[in-house]
Amino acid sequence: AQSVTQLDSQVPVFEEAPVELRCNYSSSVSVYLFWYVQYPNQGLQLLLKYLSGSTLVESINGFEAEFNKSQTSFHLRKPSVHISDTAEYFCAVRRDTGNQFYFGTGTSLTVIP
Amino acid sequence: NAGVTQTPKFQVLKTGQSMTLQCAQDMNHNSMYWYRQDPGMGLRLIYYSASEGTTDKGEVPNGYNVSRLNKREFSLRLESAAPSQTSVYFCASSEQDGPYEQYFGPGTRLTVT
Repeated sequence: AQSVTQLDSQVPVFEEAPVELRCNYSSSVSVYLFWYVQYPNQGLQLLLKYLSGSTLVESINGFEAEFNKSQTSFHLRKPSVHISDTAEYFCAVRRDTGNQFYFGTGTSLTVIP
Repeated sequence: NAGVTQTPKFQVLKTGQSMTLQCAQDMNHNSMYWYRQDPGMGLRLIYYSASEGTTDKGEVPNGYNVSRLNKREFSLRLESAAPSQTSVYFCASSEQDGPYEQYFGPGTRLTVT
């Protein structure tokens, strides 16, 4: 079975400061990796994904994540956060075969003015 | 293109009552999922349907039943609601197998008193 660990349940950070949200997974097989964002009272939206190729992937709103196979990690970073980035962030894994997705417990990012 | 839709958005039930949560997707996806989201526990898979005509239990199936009515629709039924089923329920869909992400509905907030 897969497991996904998000090490920080809550991350407060000041506006314009950098942030890193950590995600580690356990898997003995190839996986696809995803970060989702959930704004208050909404469903989850895909932020970015790693499928193959370059280990650094970027989103349109300045987030990036790096796949590290040796450390089985997929940490999410942003060099300068905005108030609008306040949300819950979920890391997810999907095996390269099969239909199930495995989610971490989420990290609540709060950007402080 | 509405994506994934869910009805109702809110529901209050008394213990022992039954109800069905409806989900539909218009992206021609084969796979559909039902999750519940509770504080501090992330998303937990209740049931999923890899393709039309098949359903499988997830992590927390007790107290729920599902029906894959056709390729578009996947409903979740609570036969006898309990306070422990108070939660936010999300439906999602994706392509079957492979490097594909899930698309989520807006959620149903259910309270059982």
